[in-house]
Amino acid sequence: DAMVIQNPRYQVTQFGKPVTLSCSQTLNHNVMYWYQQKSSQAPKLLFHYYDKDFNNEADTPDNFQSRRPNTSFCFLDIRSPGLGDAAMYLCATSRAGRPSYNEQFFGPGTRLTVL
Amino acid sequence: SQELEQSPQSLIVQEGKNLTINCTSSKTLYGLYWYKQKYGEGLIFLMMLQKGGEEKSHEKITAKLDEKKQQSSLHITASQPSHAGIYLCGADGGEWTGANNLFFGTGTRLTVIP
Repeated sequence: DAMVIQNPRYQVTQFGKPVTLSCSQTLNHNVMYWYQQKSSQAPKLLFHYYDKDFNNEADTPDNFQSRRPNTSFCFLDIRSPGLGDAAMYLCATSRAGRPSYNEQFFGPGTRLTVL
Repeated sequence: SQELEQSPQSLIVQEGKNLTINCTSSKTLYGLYWYKQKYGEGLIFLMMLQKGGEEKSHEKITAKLDEKKQQSSLHITASQPSHAGIYLCGADGGEWTGANNLFFGTGTRLTVIP
């Protein structure tokens, strides 16, 4: 089945130690998104890739970076994780947007713990 | 910036009861999405509404978007334990970027007691 896969499901890192989260998709969608969801909060969009074009949300900290080497894969890099970065990180994909509003398909998420 | 408020924040119902969750926006909604999330998991798409007055149903779940496109409701008929989870409404950011940038409401946690 076509799907969005995130690895690892659980990641533990130390304060300040760089960490990379991975997302892959078999849907061949143009757009890939990264969301951060803290405990008991709504998911918050960090950035997205439309094909190779990177679009950062205005309030996403510089500590968060992303790479998309090809259509199928997208990575979230946290350069120096702080305790406040502990959260669930959700990857999603969709076909290109307007003029139609397209469903986003979400992966199962990676839960990041920062010690 | 646009905000989405959901009510209630949490809901506990007896199995078999009907329930409604509301999502209210401060601005006109362009593409309103309903998702369900089980604890510690990703989001599962339920329905998407675009037009004022639109209504969609899937199994026992019905979603509506009001004529002014500022409020949506999600109604579950004869709730079952499988309906338990967190329900999130999401809306398109309204600015064309080539992608559907969603911002989400605060969520409604539903518990269904057998």
